[in-house]
Amino acid sequence: GQQVMQIPQYQHVQEGEDFTTYCNSSTTLSNIQWYKQRPGGHPVFLIQLVKSGEVKKQKRLTFQFGEAKKNSSLHITATQTTDVGTYFCAGKYGNKLVFGAGTILRVKS
Amino acid sequence: DVKVTQSSRYLVKRTGEKVFLECVQDMDHENMFWYRQDPGLGLRLIYFSYDVKMKEKGDIPEGYSVSREKKERFSLILESASTNQTSMYLCATVAGTANSPLHFGNGTRLTVT
Repeated sequence: GQQVMQIPQYQHVQEGEDFTTYCNSSTTLSNIQWYKQRPGGHPVFLIQLVKSGEVKKQKRLTFQFGEAKKNSSLHITATQTTDVGTYFCAGKYGNKLVFGAGTILRVKS
Repeated sequence: DVKVTQSSRYLVKRTGEKVFLECVQDMDHENMFWYRQDPGLGLRLIYFSYDVKMKEKGDIPEGYSVSREKKERFSLILESASTNQTSMYLCATVAGTANSPLHFGNGTRLTVT
């Protein structure tokens, strides 16, 4: 079935280090969305990627969509304590949105 | 800004009880969803609705039902709560346009004892 694998499940970094989370699908996606959930909060939409090979930036966050539209990554440069939370990707298969399991990011100051 | 309001932040119920989780949105969106969130499993879709009185099963509908009598309100019903339904429940809404993002409520953490 349609499934989005997200790794790593958990990452603990020193403040200032970089962080990357990856999502993979065995079948082609229509698009991919990324959400952030702060501790105790609810998921909040960050961005959507639609085109093959697309790269988008939001300040220190860089989002990529693979050429085959089967994988995506979120990279955070020089993490800050405000980056803590769980990052989810959600792949779109036609009209169906399937979430990855999420990556929990902890930042040591 | 879209506002999605879930009636309870925390709920404790006993096994076998009938449980109602309420969700109200203020943006006149047609599409509403119920997810449950469990560690290591991400968000899994329970039920969704594209219109009043319309409902569709998601990936894990067993043990749940829903009601959508009015456009702004989407209720999740646990007919007979069980301990394996202890979870975080998230309601979400989305505009009808293609590729619109989900807007989530604050969630209801349900504990079934």
